[in-house]
Amino acid sequence: AQKITQTQPGMFVQEKEAVTLDCTYDTSDPSYGLFWYKQPSSGEMIFLIYQGSYDQQNATEGRYSLNFQKARKSANLVISASQLGDSAMYFCAMIPWGAGNMLTFGGGTRLMVKP
Amino acid sequence: GAGVSQSPRYKVAKRGQDVALRCDPISGHVSLFWYQQALGQGPEFLTYFQNEAQLDKSGLPSDRFFAERPEGSVSTLKIQRTQQEDSAVYLCASSPGVSSGGKGYEQYFGPGTRLTVT
Repeated sequence: AQKITQTQPGMFVQEKEAVTLDCTYDTSDPSYGLFWYKQPSSGEMIFLIYQGSYDQQNATEGRYSLNFQKARKSANLVISASQLGDSAMYFCAMIPWGAGNMLTFGGGTRLMVKP
Repeated sequence: GAGVSQSPRYKVAKRGQDVALRCDPISGHVSLFWYQQALGQGPEFLTYFQNEAQLDKSGLPSDRFFAERPEGSVSTLKIQRTQQEDSAVYLCASSPGVSSGGKGYEQYFGPGTRLTVT
């Protein structure tokens, strides 16, 4: 079975600063994908960024980057230049490719951006 | 619209009633997923379809839960004899289902249906 752990239930960041949201995972599958989703108060899960376990480089998508440390089984999300609209719940998730296509989610981190 | 849609957005049911939740995936998406999200928690997998075939229903919590996708497009999640513990947000997601280094397995979520059982 796979498990995702997000140890920060809530975080504050000052507008325009960078913030790192932590995620560690556990799986016995050698091939897997890691995902980050944003869930604003409206409830919809918004896909942010993807990292494959065999990708050589850390994924980046605009202001989002993923700090992937495979040996430590961590996949931290870095948001640069925080904006007020970044205030939301953030979920780390994974799919072990050998065990189906469903996402396993962590418990989430609530990010609050201060003006 | 181009995204995943779900209806109703909110549903209040009395304990013991049956409910049906609808999901319209993105056109052409092969894979469709249902998740249950309890308050303050991450979503948990319920079931998965590839076209009309239900390939995995291991997450359905009891035999009161039933899902179908008869024509490989719209899906319905049905809950019979609702209980208070069924109160949650039910999320539907679809993905193209085409593997390309992980691309194509990105899941796109609908806004969810918030079910409250009284």
